[in-house]
Amino acid sequence: QKEVEQNSGPLSVPEGAIASLNCTYSDRVSQSFFWYRQYSGKSPELIMSIYSNGDKEDGRFTAQLNKASQYVSLLIRDSQPSDSATYLCAVIKDTGRRALTFGSGTRLQVQP
Amino acid sequence: DVKVTQSSRYLVKRTGEKVFLECVQDMDHENMFWYRQDPGLGLRLIYFSYDVKMKEKGDIPEGYSVSREKKERFSLILESASTNQTSMYLCASSHDDRVDTEAFFGQGTRLTVV
Repeated sequence: QKEVEQNSGPLSVPEGAIASLNCTYSDRVSQSFFWYRQYSGKSPELIMSIYSNGDKEDGRFTAQLNKASQYVSLLIRDSQPSDSATYLCAVIKDTGRRALTFGSGTRLQVQP
Repeated sequence: DVKVTQSSRYLVKRTGEKVFLECVQDMDHENMFWYRQDPGLGLRLIYFSYDVKMKEKGDIPEGYSVSREKKERFSLILESASTNQTSMYLCASSHDDRVDTEAFFGQGTRLTVV
């Protein structure tokens, strides 16, 4: 079992729709959770971080964390073609090691 | 703005060569990381460092070594390059001050070993 699992996609949504990206993790002691966006040929850039159960909203983005189910999700409201990218879920497994463990990413396509 | 700069955008090296990938950050970050990214496998951690002269193996350290002589610089060394080390290499850095600390990435080095 991979430590961080994501559906590779592609996930295709029409412009203006809500895109829902999901991620599960295997290590229960995982502390912090991150969503990075990566455009083709570019480096990952942080969209959201979350470390408490519940929802965290930032503009059109909402991260949701459920530690009991070991599940993290990212919702993108009013999806735009410029949101088309690969979304990487990442976790920090414990406070002694600040290195991120990444999933393999979900490719999102927003159709105009 | 945080800046993480990798010395080369593209590199082509021959099998058996010793290869140095350099990374510099300008935000006084304690933590620095080297990842490689391959299609379908995501980013995998090679090595990381949480202080000068300190290093920790990541998930795939075989065939690599690192050096951190100064806080701002973290070097990845391929002792004897092999074709299976052809990949995108990403350097990142972060502060060590809170649980949701953000990691900032360099622009990446695409290494081809022929």
